[in-house]
Amino acid sequence: SAVISQKPSRDICQRGTSLTIQCQVDSQVTMMFWYRQQPGQSLTLIATANQGSEATYESGFVIDKFPISRPNLTFSTLTVSNMSPEDSSIYLCSGRGQGARAQYFGPGTRLTVL
Amino acid sequence: DQQVKQNSPSLSVQEGRISILNCDYTNSMFDYFLWYKKYPAEGPTFLISISSIKDKNEDGRFTVFLNKSAKHLSLHIVPSQPGDSAVYFCAASAAYFGNEKLTFGTGTRLTIIP
Repeated sequence: SAVISQKPSRDICQRGTSLTIQCQVDSQVTMMFWYRQQPGQSLTLIATANQGSEATYESGFVIDKFPISRPNLTFSTLTVSNMSPEDSSIYLCSGRGQGARAQYFGPGTRLTVL
Repeated sequence: DQQVKQNSPSLSVQEGRISILNCDYTNSMFDYFLWYKKYPAEGPTFLISISSIKDKNEDGRFTVFLNKSAKHLSLHIVPSQPGDSAVYFCAASAAYFGNEKLTFGTGTRLTIIP
């Protein structure tokens, strides 16, 4: 299994500000993903983080709101921009190895927007 | 459109007995299925998976059964232990979709009663 870390683990932010979440994976990972889990809900894929190019976003998520970078194979960031209380969620990074089907998740970032 | 459904939001089982968690899916393109366990304030932990070419996969106390004709899978935990108390998510992916993104169910909260 892959080792995945995220920071910060939690944050409380003011409306209108932005937060950048960092994800570090070990070298076994080739694909990286960002998910959101809103309170009482399931996990929803935000985007696939592509190394050295623009992320691939799912329906309902846009780059202006959730810019993602992946400058190298083992590191990615997700920014939640111009936050509102509706953005209060757990944000999770995941990774998958070459040829593997299972994804492994980081510990998540719990975001509260006031 | 919820393509992966877990119709039981919660389940309580006596310690030592069998826990059976169920999951239904609607998209016939799904060819790989996974179960994750999630404790509060942690990311999901991968438990066990099954390919659509199989109907059963076993790993220790955990067994997953797949019924493709019914588009149904189940996770059996025997014997159930207090540490199994958590939220369980089933997830599905399809090689057809290219990035094999995971689609998650809504989760079942399992409580093991000592």
